[in-house]
Amino acid sequence: DIVVTQSPDSLAVSLGERATINCKSSQSVLYSSDNRNYLAWFQQKPGQPPKLLIYWASTRESGVPDRFSGSGSGTDFTLTISSLQAADVAVYFCQQYYSTPRTFGQGTKVEIK
Amino acid sequence: QVQLVESGGGVVQPGRSLRLSCAASGFTFSNFPMHWVRQAPGKGLEWLAAISYDGSDKYYRDSAKGRFTISRDNSRNTLYLQVSSLTAEDTAVYYCTRDRPFHDCWGQGTLVTVSS
Repeated sequence: DIVVTQSPDSLAVSLGERATINCKSSQSVLYSSDNRNYLAWFQQKPGQPPKLLIYWASTRESGVPDRFSGSGSGTDFTLTISSLQAADVAVYFCQQYYSTPRTFGQGTKVEIK
Repeated sequence: QVQLVESGGGVVQPGRSLRLSCAASGFTFSNFPMHWVRQAPGKGLEWLAAISYDGSDKYYRDSAKGRFTISRDNSRNTLYLQVSSLTAEDTAVYYCTRDRPFHDCWGQGTLVTVSS
């Protein structure tokens, strides 16, 4: 199984400042035949299901604000919130969909400092 | 709009079985593989199982093999998860999700509480 590890476990950032979350997979999720990274990012607020933010490691889902961006390739990935808003307080998960079982990171809780 | 609505959760005694349903609407259900993911209270997300668009292929995490059965009825636009021999460790919110192949749409989830 591919192990996905996020860092940090929690993060407190001032409003308007940058938040950065890292995600590392135990093996590459870059599929050579299509040159795509099979890595997604989700946001989850209390009492709600996860919401897809980013897929293919860097493609923003429709309707997601452009302050959210994803980067990275192979085994190392980053989710960046360029200017943190109060609405961004949530837990963020990365997930690999390269192989089954699909595996998630443990989550990163983002709070306002 | 695309919608997934889970049902079938509740309080169930240890050792019993349960069948969860996920009703899909707003898209051509038979065109998409589907998945079940669960989340224990205060914990992270755990992928459980997937089924191909026509139901011919099924995939499970190792710990789910033998107790969990995923199925679908494309004529009813419905996904199912049968869970047997429930234990307290199965207490969780169970979500169905669509495969694009990333999980682009999630239901609100159905809570299963295993307790005597």
